Amino acid sequence: ETGVTQTPRHLVMGMTNKKSLKCEQHLGHNAMYWYKQSAKKPLELMFVYNFKEQTENNSVPSRFSPECPNSSHLFLHLHTLQPEDSALYLCASSQTGFSYEQYFGPGTRLTVT
Amino acid sequence: ILNVEQSPQSLHVQEGDSTNFTCSFPSSNFYALHWYRWETAKSPEALFVMTLNGDEKKKGRISATLNTKEGYSYLYIKGSQPEDSATYLCAFLNTGTASKLTFGTGTRLQVTL
Repeated sequence: ETGVTQTPRHLVMGMTNKKSLKCEQHLGHNAMYWYKQSAKKPLELMFVYNFKEQTENNSVPSRFSPECPNSSHLFLHLHTLQPEDSALYLCASSQTGFSYEQYFGPGTRLTVT
Repeated sequence: ILNVEQSPQSLHVQEGDSTNFTCSFPSSNFYALHWYRWETAKSPEALFVMTLNGDEKKKGRISATLNTKEGYSYLYIKGSQPEDSATYLCAFLNTGTASKLTFGTGTRLQVTL
């Protein structure tokens, strides 16, 4: 596989469930990102990892818990979410330095019921 | 809070028309300005990464200009085609928060025959 992949593509979960989103990049990049896209809002950065270390947490509630075991894999663990957390969650990767051009995955469409 | 604004929000043009969109961003501490194209059901893809005041970049029928002193960038599409239909996003990086992109809400372009 090439590029950035995300699984699952669609997820429906109840407010008491625990689930995880997975992202994998095959581009040899050293930075990975989680973004949230809600209806009629800009893409919103959630977390940044550089060389497996979290360098940015954009005031995200603790019910979202990221994990980056290595430079190629990124997870977003979800627990006790709210209906307003329903959104498209995009993963991206980039090389650090210079331009930080983002390479995006296809996203996970999350619905919290 | 960094403000990145795009106009218009949406645009409907006929095949063959030329069009342009605007992205405005803070003029201080500029580092880079990105343009992405996001087609429905696909991942956002980078069009241009611009770093220098006065930069002009071109890819086929699409071009972009950058004015960092006044804080704006224009994206031009010459001779629009139906396959240009997408949402065009700009994103701003400043020197204080490198790797943390701030996105605009996008301009949604629809090109009809």
